[in-house]
Amino acid sequence: AQTVTQSQPEMSVQEAETVTLSCTYDTSESDYYLFWYKQPPSRQMILVIRQEAYKQQNATENRFSVNFQKAAKSFSLKISDSQLGDAAMYFCAFANFGNEKLTFGTGTRLTIIP
Amino acid sequence: DTGVSQDPRHKITKRGQNVTFRCDPISEHNRLYWYRQTLGQGPEFLTYFQNEAQLEKSRLLSDRFSAERPKGSFSTLEIQRTEQGDSAMYLCASSRQEYNEQFFGPGTRLTVL
Repeated sequence: AQTVTQSQPEMSVQEAETVTLSCTYDTSESDYYLFWYKQPPSRQMILVIRQEAYKQQNATENRFSVNFQKAAKSFSLKISDSQLGDAAMYFCAFANFGNEKLTFGTGTRLTIIP
Repeated sequence: DTGVSQDPRHKITKRGQNVTFRCDPISEHNRLYWYRQTLGQGPEFLTYFQNEAQLEKSRLLSDRFSAERPKGSFSTLEIQRTEQGDSAMYLCASSRQEYNEQFFGPGTRLTVL
């Protein structure tokens, strides 16, 4: 069974600064997907960024980028130029190729300090 | 595209009662997922459908839980004889099979007294 570990329950960052959220996972599969989802307070979960395991290039989406280290089974999220609207719970998630149920970590609560 | 919708948004019930939740996925999405999220935890997979077929159920889904998607469109999740441990947020998500990106609804928060 796959597991996803987020070791930082809470993080904070000054507005306009950069923050990195950590995620590690465990799997015996070689083909899979990794995701970062954002869940703002009392609002629905939205996808921030995804990474296919077969791609060596790290995914980027505007201010969001990942550092995917397949051998180390590590998948961190970097948020640049942090904005107040980035405040949320961030969940790292894993899905096997061809079986799209998501396995989530326990989340990291990100606070943005004005 | 109005997104994934769920009804009701909140449900308070007494222990032992039955409850039913509804999820309407994005119209062209043929995969539909149910997750449960308790306070301070990430969502946990319960079950998923491809069109009207239920393809996988988690061991978390006890006999008191049943899900349907009769016409491959909306889905219902029923919990019979609710227990206090069933209190959680129940999330629905949908995806197009070939894209593997799940879009989540706002959830139904269940409180069992």
